[in-house]
Amino acid sequence: GENVEQHPSTLSVQEGDSAVIKCTYSDSASNYFPWYKQELGKRPQLIIDIRSNVGEKKDQRIAVTLNKTAKHFSLHITETQPEDSAVYFCAAQYNAGNMLTFGGGTRLMVKP
Amino acid sequence: DTGVSQDPRHKITKRGQNVTFRCDPISEHNRLYWYRQTLGQGPEFLTYFQNEAQLEKSRLLSDRFSAERPKGSFSTLEIQRTEQGDSAMYLCASSLQGDEQYFGPGTRLTVT
Repeated sequence: GENVEQHPSTLSVQEGDSAVIKCTYSDSASNYFPWYKQELGKRPQLIIDIRSNVGEKKDQRIAVTLNKTAKHFSLHITETQPEDSAVYFCAAQYNAGNMLTFGGGTRLMVKP
Repeated sequence: DTGVSQDPRHKITKRGQNVTFRCDPISEHNRLYWYRQTLGQGPEFLTYFQNEAQLEKSRLLSDRFSAERPKGSFSTLEIQRTEQGDSAMYLCASSLQGDEQYFGPGTRLTVT
């Protein structure tokens, strides 16, 4: 089955700096890669996603890149703000509507 | 609130007791998923439904776990003879045919 690894497990940045979180997946058939943000005690929230026919997608301060050949994808957050502090999870899915396989999460701390 | 809802939000039970959780998906979403999340980890897939049909079950789902979605709307997840290892957050998500899964707030189960 699919295996998703996520790095780093914790990331501390200064407000205004950029943050990058990286994930690798094992199943080359995976074709959908969402990112979720989870604040303490809250539900995971979908913040951005990318499909395998696209190499990059951007939404304001966040962007995701996908390298299908290397089987890795990354989340980029620019101009970080304290409210970006949360745990971020990447995930992979091999067919529309199927289960998601999640990475282990990255705790992002943005220091004011 | 038109998001995914779950009930109860918290459940404390003694080992050996049975518990049942409910999930109400976003209206018109035909796919419904159950995940389990332990502290510091990403959600792990348990099972999912398309309408009332249960399409896939994880090996994590022992015979003490059963899920139903009788009319293709809400779903229930029952755990029989609970064990301390069942303590976790049980998350429900729904999607409309495709990729984007939206999560509920979860039910936190504590088995004493």
